[in-house]
Amino acid sequence: DAGITQSPRHKVTETGTPVTLRCHQTENHRYMYWYRQDPGHGLRLIHYSYGVKDTDKGEVSDGYSVSRSKTEDFLLTLESATSSQTSVYFCAISEQGSNYGYTFGSGTRLTVV
Amino acid sequence: QQQVKQSPQSLIVQKGGISIINCAYENTAFDYFPWYQQFPGKGPALLIAIRPDVSEKKEGRFTISFNKSAKQFSLHIMDSQPGDSATYFCAASADYGQNFVFGPGTRLSVLP
Repeated sequence: DAGITQSPRHKVTETGTPVTLRCHQTENHRYMYWYRQDPGHGLRLIHYSYGVKDTDKGEVSDGYSVSRSKTEDFLLTLESATSSQTSVYFCAISEQGSNYGYTFGSGTRLTVV
Repeated sequence: QQQVKQSPQSLIVQKGGISIINCAYENTAFDYFPWYQQFPGKGPALLIAIRPDVSEKKEGRFTISFNKSAKQFSLHIMDSQPGDSATYFCAASADYGQNFVFGPGTRLSVLP
């Protein structure tokens, strides 16, 4: 997706290991979000950021942490991965007052074994 | 109160037919209602959106109908095509473009 890149696209990791997912944007948007997508649950907000070093929790933040040291990068860390965190993770960006809502990345498929 | 309900969970329509997906919300502070379209292996993409000051918005074959008093909105896809086969999410925001709440999604299959 133009202007927003997620890495890696796929990852398999073992239970108990730390995992970091990266979201990089070139749009200079203020707001960045991490969602997870699971069948039957749609998209659920994990954490979001409204500026450098300004972050807040979403509805499913337990077990996740985030950091944003630069406008363009938003990192999602699973400190100790569990099987329940197997999911597809999407990053999104937006700008306040925008008529365009979110722009989503292509997602990271994470499998915890 | 932050929840957005969406139905049906899945929908099968013949080519040329009308696809209708419904959403309902409780939070009267919501002021922006987009619909997202997601193809397999891709991120959701904004399809069409509406503000509560209008009752209908049309873009090509896609129309949002909005009923403020009933707190419901729906997506109508006219002349549905196999290329429309995707998962559709409704969403709502109380911050004009921020902090969206998403419905659980509807998987649409359009048969050729």
